[in-house]
Amino acid sequence: DVKVTQSSRYLVKRTGEKVFLECVQDMDHENMFWYRQDPGLGLRLIYFSYDVKMKEKGDIPEGYSVSREKKERFSLILESASTNQTSMYLCASKATSQYNEQFFGPGTRLTVL
Amino acid sequence: GNSVTQMEGPVTLSEEAFLTINCTYTATGYPSLFWYVQYPGEGLQLLLKATKADDKGSNKGFEATYRKETTSFHLEKGSVQVSDSAVYFCAQVKIQGAQKLVFGQGTRLTINP
Repeated sequence: DVKVTQSSRYLVKRTGEKVFLECVQDMDHENMFWYRQDPGLGLRLIYFSYDVKMKEKGDIPEGYSVSREKKERFSLILESASTNQTSMYLCASKATSQYNEQFFGPGTRLTVL
Repeated sequence: GNSVTQMEGPVTLSEEAFLTINCTYTATGYPSLFWYVQYPGEGLQLLLKATKADDKGSNKGFEATYRKETTSFHLEKGSVQVSDSAVYFCAQVKIQGAQKLVFGQGTRLTINP
């Protein structure tokens, strides 16, 4: 059974803290993605990675950075958390073919106080 | 550019009613199309997909047909159940754009017994 796991389901942080969200996939997929999901806005792509150590900005990269040191792991970093980064964060992975779907993790609900 | 437009929600139906959730897309070429479902408190799961024109995707009683003439991929189910209550997302893959998905804004479906 294919799996994408995220390190936390719920996280509460304070403004200014550095926050790490971890994502691991066991499918040997080349591509991994970080989205945020907000009511009325759907899913918005923050960053994605198409190979180890490779990354590309998505639609809303400001305030975020990412790290992919190993193929199975993709980390999202909030350098200095702000209240407007309170959101649901979803990680996904995908094999390289336009016919293949993305597989999603269960999500991390982050609250920044 | 690529975009996906979904029927506005929320949608509320009675059990055993017929369901249609509209989805139209704009794209260059013929991208693969997907419907994802998000049950309460969970990440997104692939519901069905179609990879070329006139393909019909189906799963769990849901169906959607890839119609290039109308650039649509409407989701249908003949008889909904309470357990179908969820948020439904239509998506297309960007052919040029390294595997990225473009999502609609999501439609929240509630089925009453």
